[in-house]
Amino acid sequence: DQQVKQNSPSLSVQEGRISILNCDYTNSMFDYFLWYKKYPAEGPTFLISISSIKDKNEDGRFTVFLNKSAKHLSLHIVPSQPGDSAVYFCAASASGNTGKLIFGQGTTLQVKP
Amino acid sequence: DGGITQSPKYLFRKEGQNVTLSCEQNLNHDAMYWYRQDPGQGLRLIYYSQIVNDFQKGDIAEGYSVSREKKESFPLTVTSAQKNPTAFYLCASSIDTWGEKLFFGSGTQLSVL
Repeated sequence: DQQVKQNSPSLSVQEGRISILNCDYTNSMFDYFLWYKKYPAEGPTFLISISSIKDKNEDGRFTVFLNKSAKHLSLHIVPSQPGDSAVYFCAASASGNTGKLIFGQGTTLQVKP
Repeated sequence: DGGITQSPKYLFRKEGQNVTLSCEQNLNHDAMYWYRQDPGQGLRLIYYSQIVNDFQKGDIAEGYSVSREKKESFPLTVTSAQKNPTAFYLCASSIDTWGEKLFFGSGTQLSVL
């Protein structure tokens, strides 16, 4: 049972344009969401997070939007740069439970120069 | 520099052999984790440890064992009982269990000869 789903395995965008990566979840107890970025043969690095009390969190070129009613979150990267090319994982946790982080399958983003 | 060190970067296992993956952190984090990544899948939790001399099974613990004799170290043994061990293994730590974010090592690629 995949509680966190990233339905697009890959995404290709032109440099300077917006990249939108999507993530859906099924567990209504999830109240904290994170995005990680991973380069090949490296470990993921934390990118940005959002608590369920917010619907938007921004950090430079990266913005995460949370739609609780739709159980959907998205990561916007504006403007996209070639160095953003990586695999992006969304993750979710329920603080009232074990708080265990559940990861999605990942989306490979390619930003073309 | 503080961080998480995983070794070796590449490891080969023969049939019926146990192998141990090393994970060391100097971040003074209490919690440590082992994840497995397979192509097209998210990170799946194998084991985690909240404090020294204590650890819990994750979602896919069968065929694996761990120890936590020191705060800094959380080695993972892939036993011969693990029938499909080929994967990318990631170790992570956090300040406290399921803290705000996980810090990952650079991973170990395990392959079967």
